[in-house]
Amino acid sequence: GAGVSQSPRYKVTKRGQDVALRCDPISGHVSLYWYRQALGQGPEFLTYFNYEAQQDKSGLPNDRFSAERPEGSISTLTIQRTEQRDSAMYRCASSLEQGINTGELFFGEGSRLTVL
Amino acid sequence: AQRVTQPEKLLSVFKGAPVELKCNYSYSGSPELFWYVQYSRQRLQLLLRHISRESIKGFTADLNKGETSFHLKKPFAQEEDSAMYYCALKLRSGTYKYIFGTGTRLKVLA
Repeated sequence: GAGVSQSPRYKVTKRGQDVALRCDPISGHVSLYWYRQALGQGPEFLTYFNYEAQQDKSGLPNDRFSAERPEGSISTLTIQRTEQRDSAMYRCASSLEQGINTGELFFGEGSRLTVL
Repeated sequence: AQRVTQPEKLLSVFKGAPVELKCNYSYSGSPELFWYVQYSRQRLQLLLRHISRESIKGFTADLNKGETSFHLKKPFAQEEDSAMYYCALKLRSGTYKYIFGTGTRLKVLA
């Protein structure tokens, strides 16, 4: 594809259900980042990967949140036992470069999660 | 702790007026700063980065380490500049995550 693809674009779920959000980065991009953005706030870092290795997960709010990128390409962010406070836009971004080499972040359109 | 502060949630200017979007950061390491922009119904995208020292769409930003600032400036605002602007800091020690500010909405009035 031409850009970072996220699915679903919109997800409405009931409290207590699990959700999985998918990110398909630009082909060949090494780094993949997940952010959460609440209304009126900036993107809040959750976690990032270089290839399949999760480099930093310090932003995951609690153990209900997890992420994986098993083959170094597509990534899934999973939220278990969702709560209303999890409602937000979840953004994925990928970058050709990694680590100290700085590449532009290319963002997807985001997945808007609403927990009822 | 590392932090990016954008003090203005909303900035309204008239077309042709100068624009300055403020960004201050807190980081003990060597900072790398960026401005990202989101136009209506578009994705968040890179506007410029301090290491490139470039002007994009008439915007410039200078890193001032003494004042820990990276303000975005444009001498003459255009209506098409109306958008949400985010300042971002890339950490460069131990982790290479990006920290974003809360954003400033720029409205350029005709």
